[in-house]
Amino acid sequence: SSELTQDPAVAVALGQTVRVTCQGDSLRKYYATWYQQKPGQAPVVVIYGEDHRPSGIPDRFSGSSSGNIGSLTITGAQTEDEADYYCVSRDNSGDWVFGGGTKLTVL
Amino acid sequence: QLQLVQSGAEVRKPGSSVKVSCKASGGTFSSDSISWVRQAPGQGLEWMGGIIPLFGTPSYAQKFQGRVTIIADDSTSTFYMELSSLRSEDTAVYYCAKDGYYSDRGRYSWVFDPWGQGTLVTVSS
Repeated sequence: SSELTQDPAVAVALGQTVRVTCQGDSLRKYYATWYQQKPGQAPVVVIYGEDHRPSGIPDRFSGSSSGNIGSLTITGAQTEDEADYYCVSRDNSGDWVFGGGTKLTVL
Repeated sequence: QLQLVQSGAEVRKPGSSVKVSCKASGGTFSSDSISWVRQAPGQGLEWMGGIIPLFGTPSYAQKFQGRVTIIADDSTSTFYMELSSLRSEDTAVYYCAKDGYYSDRGRYSWVFDPWGQGTLVTVSS
């Protein structure tokens, strides 16, 4: 199966910009979808497709893609953005695969 | 608007089985594709398998082949995931979620939305 690799942890100062990345071969073919998960809660989609936000997701969240890397950017991080972020794609066998997750800390 | 409501927490002994339910409302049951995703304590998300009632045949992640059974009950609009031969490593929160795709000029992204609230399964002797 195709793996998706994420940095385990990233920190950002309040109000600054942070990029969370996801790397994997399948991302040459598919866009990563990004999920935010806060403790004790189910994941929530924050970015899908080339750079689309579901209704209710602040416009400080954006997505991009280059080669085999998908990125989630938070421009002007807020305390409420502190969470785990996961990317997801599909591997060659048709199974869905999640990245290992990135724990975002807002300082 | 599709809503997914899961059954409550379960405690099982190693070697036994557990069956978790996911009741759907507000959607089009037969064409809704539902996946099961689990999350062990402090760990990441892991896709287990899924089913589209219209087609009937489930698909399973290779890791769970032979141990997981996913079914859809049209009469009650409920999806079920049964995991057998439980071991302590199966202790996790199990989620159901509608899966689908979005196409941007022919390039897909895969979307799980909405999610059930999760069901904690604890495997302990």
